[in-house]
Amino acid sequence: DQQVKQNSPSLSVQEGRISILNCDYTNSMFDYFLWYKKYPAEGPTFLISISSIKDKNEDGRFTVFLNKSAKHLSLHIVPSQPGDSAVYFCAAGVRGNTPLVFGKGTRLSVIA
Amino acid sequence: DAGVIQSPRHEVTEMGQEVTLRCKLISGHNSLFWYRQTMMRGLELLIYFNNNVPIDDSGMPEDRFSAKMPNASFSTLKIQPSEPRDSAVYFCASSLGSLSGANVLTFGAGSRLTVL
Repeated sequence: DQQVKQNSPSLSVQEGRISILNCDYTNSMFDYFLWYKKYPAEGPTFLISISSIKDKNEDGRFTVFLNKSAKHLSLHIVPSQPGDSAVYFCAAGVRGNTPLVFGKGTRLSVIA
Repeated sequence: DAGVIQSPRHEVTEMGQEVTLRCKLISGHNSLFWYRQTMMRGLELLIYFNNNVPIDDSGMPEDRFSAKMPNASFSTLKIQPSEPRDSAVYFCASSLGSLSGANVLTFGAGSRLTVL
């Protein structure tokens, strides 16, 4: 049973518009969440995170929103740029040096 | 620091052969994770170590898979014998884990394995 789900395998957005990537989780024990970005032939790289005590975290063009009651988080990229084209993984964890659980990823294509 | 270093980057082998994947952690990191990426299952955890000790290997698919961490900076993942269904990208990741903190993993570039 998948604990972290990314239901959209792919997303296409025009350059300059907003990209919204969604993620749902089932385990209420998760207390922090992360987004990773992956380019072809490279490993995933950390992008942004949010603690379960917050509902929003912003870093430049990237904002992550957390809705604990719905067990849902989303990543907003504004404005989207062609260099943002990559696979984005949502991940969740429990504090205490335990592994992250990843979703299957969403491939974002930003069209110029 | 050069980051997490994995080798080989690509391996093509025949069914039944032994495969050894290698990983060098970031200096100072104390936790090591092996993940496998496939189209069907995404990124799935195989095994992880804290301070060189294997903590959870429940993700290792079969006895054909084994992992070791002979010292604080190096790990191997071995598949013997390999099968076509083992074809995937294998990622190693490390972190400076703590009992109370969030675990932000740093990944290597991956080893793409193809078993014919």
